[in-house]
Amino acid sequence: ETGVTQTPRHLVMGMTNKKSLKCEQHLGHNAMYWYKQSAKKPLELMFVYNFKEQTENNSVPSRFSPECPNSSHLFLHLHTLQPEDSALYLCASSTWTGTYEQYFGPGTRLTVT
Amino acid sequence: GESVGLHLPTLSVQEGDNSIINCAYSNSASDYFIWYKQESGKGPQFIIDIRSNMDKRQGQRVTVLLNKTVKHLSLQIAATQPGDSAVYFCAENINDYKLSFGAGTTVTVRA
Repeated sequence: ETGVTQTPRHLVMGMTNKKSLKCEQHLGHNAMYWYKQSAKKPLELMFVYNFKEQTENNSVPSRFSPECPNSSHLFLHLHTLQPEDSALYLCASSTWTGTYEQYFGPGTRLTVT
Repeated sequence: GESVGLHLPTLSVQEGDNSIINCAYSNSASDYFIWYKQESGKGPQFIIDIRSNMDKRQGQRVTVLLNKTVKHLSLQIAATQPGDSAVYFCAENINDYKLSFGAGTTVTVRA
């Protein structure tokens, strides 16, 4: 295990639902990330948090709302999603400088119906 | 846009043979590169990294080669095993915290 956990592992939701994805890291890192992984595409960076402060929003639609209450926890709140939002959502963490290695969780497989 | 890419989307290799996975990058200012392995149902896992002041780095059964002249990165897996079947990604650092990933090469090991 990488020390990064994500729940739920699978989620099916309708376009009018509201749900949240949770990520927790046990590595003492201070940076956390949300990525979207779609089939046949490179990982797409969505959000970056450093010491609980958002440092990057990669032009993500407002139907995705991140929350980082502390350096160990990261949430992604989902609201009125579209079928094209179906993908694997990966959380990662890292130290902020010195090393660029990111540790990934297992992901949440999201299906929007 | 994507600055890191892989030459081939799929690679089939006989068990016991060596595998070579290639990656091209376009940002000559990148100074750090990583290879990740992603097995089915799991998140990407770190395999090996290399800094731009090196040409080669070896790990357990894996070797990463960096050719800065042609902006090319490769991952060599020795004596490929069934457990090596996965998708392999290269990534380069964009800045202190940001990585840019390639689309991945799916490696299938034939028994």
